[in-house]
Amino acid sequence: AQSVTQLDSQVPVFEEAPVELRCNYSSSVSVYLFWYVQYPNQGLQLLLKYLSGSTLVKGINGFEAEFNKSQTSFHLRKPSVHISDTAEYFCAVKGLGGTSYGKLTFGQGTILTVHP
Amino acid sequence: NAGVTQTPKFQVLKTGQSMTLQCAQDMNHNSMYWYRQDPGMGLRLIYYSASEGTTDKGEVPNGYNVSRLNKREFSLRLESAAPSQTSVYFCASSEDLTGVYGYTFGSGTRLTVV
Repeated sequence: AQSVTQLDSQVPVFEEAPVELRCNYSSSVSVYLFWYVQYPNQGLQLLLKYLSGSTLVKGINGFEAEFNKSQTSFHLRKPSVHISDTAEYFCAVKGLGGTSYGKLTFGQGTILTVHP
Repeated sequence: NAGVTQTPKFQVLKTGQSMTLQCAQDMNHNSMYWYRQDPGMGLRLIYYSASEGTTDKGEVPNGYNVSRLNKREFSLRLESAAPSQTSVYFCASSEDLTGVYGYTFGSGTRLTVV
């Protein structure tokens, strides 16, 4: 089974400042990793994903994340945030094969609030 | 626009009432899912369907039933609603269970059981 821990439930930041949203995971098998964003009263949208290869992955809206296998982390970063980035962000993990097949496990979510 | 459509968007039920949440996707995806979202708990998988004709339990299946009506539609039924089922319900779909292409989510159904 997999588990995901998002280390911050809320992250306030000023506009144009950098931000990092932290995500650690636990799994006994290899994984795919995802970040989703949820704007108020909407469904989740895929920001980026790590499947294999380069550990630095780039997504939409200027976000990027780095997969660190030794630290079992997949932190999300943006060098300069905008007011429009205010949303809730979810880290998710999917185990490969076995009983993990078909199951995407989500973290608890991090609410990013960008202040002017 | 192509995507996942959920109905209704809002619903209030009395304890013991039943209802069905509807979900349809027009992306020709094989796999579909039902999640519930509760504050501070992220999304938890209720049921999923790998392909037309199959369904499997997820993390929190108790109190729910599902039907994969055809490739496009996947419904979630609450037979006897309880206050603990107050939540936001999301339907999602993916090309297959590998998850390589990510999931597409509907906009959610906000359910309140009183």
